[in-house]
Amino acid sequence: GALVYQYPRRTICKSGTSMRMECQAVGFQATSVAWYRQSPQKTFELIALSTVNSAIKYEQNFTQEKFPISHPNLSFSSMTVLNAYLEDRGLYLCGARDRTGGTLYFGAGTRLSVL
Amino acid sequence: QQKVQQSPESLIVPEGAMTSLNCTFSDSASQYFAWYRQHSGKAPKALMSIFSNGEKEEGRFTIHLNKASLHFSLHIRDSQPSDSALYLCAEYTNAYKVIFGKGTHLHVLP
Repeated sequence: GALVYQYPRRTICKSGTSMRMECQAVGFQATSVAWYRQSPQKTFELIALSTVNSAIKYEQNFTQEKFPISHPNLSFSSMTVLNAYLEDRGLYLCGARDRTGGTLYFGAGTRLSVL
Repeated sequence: QQKVQQSPESLIVPEGAMTSLNCTFSDSASQYFAWYRQHSGKAPKALMSIFSNGEKEEGRFTIHLNKASLHFSLHIRDSQPSDSALYLCAEYTNAYKVIFGKGTHLHVLP
């Protein structure tokens, strides 16, 4: 079956520092990977969409300078939160889809706490 | 900007009840809609999806899509405590993005 492994599950970083999270797709080819943030208020925001052989598209309020994403092949994607501050806290989820573009398979999420 | 709105934010029902969750979207051109379910501390998982106007039933779950009224709903018959979770409505846009609503917290009391 299709699975997405996401790590780390939890991370705590000091204000102003950066942290990186990774997702590994198993059992399918992750043609596109979307990164989301689920905030303490439970808002489910799309950060960016990465499709192989296309430019990464960031949503309003999210930038490459703050959330650089790498999607080098059909099984791996990573995102870094640079200069993390309190407002960046939340659960970061990667959702991957194959070429058919149907179901999004989510990783378990990386919960970011900022001190 | 495309928006997906869900209601209610939270819902408490007794075991055995019929539960109805609602979603409105903003782009009638979107082709594909889905409900995802997220249990506490877990990843969201796809529950059911639909392409065209109408209804689809799988076991105790029924989804209904009406593009004209921009409305998408999920109905759970004979709700069980194990159905307690956050339910997320998803709109698959023509820009290949998947936009989610904030979710409805469902609590089914035994």
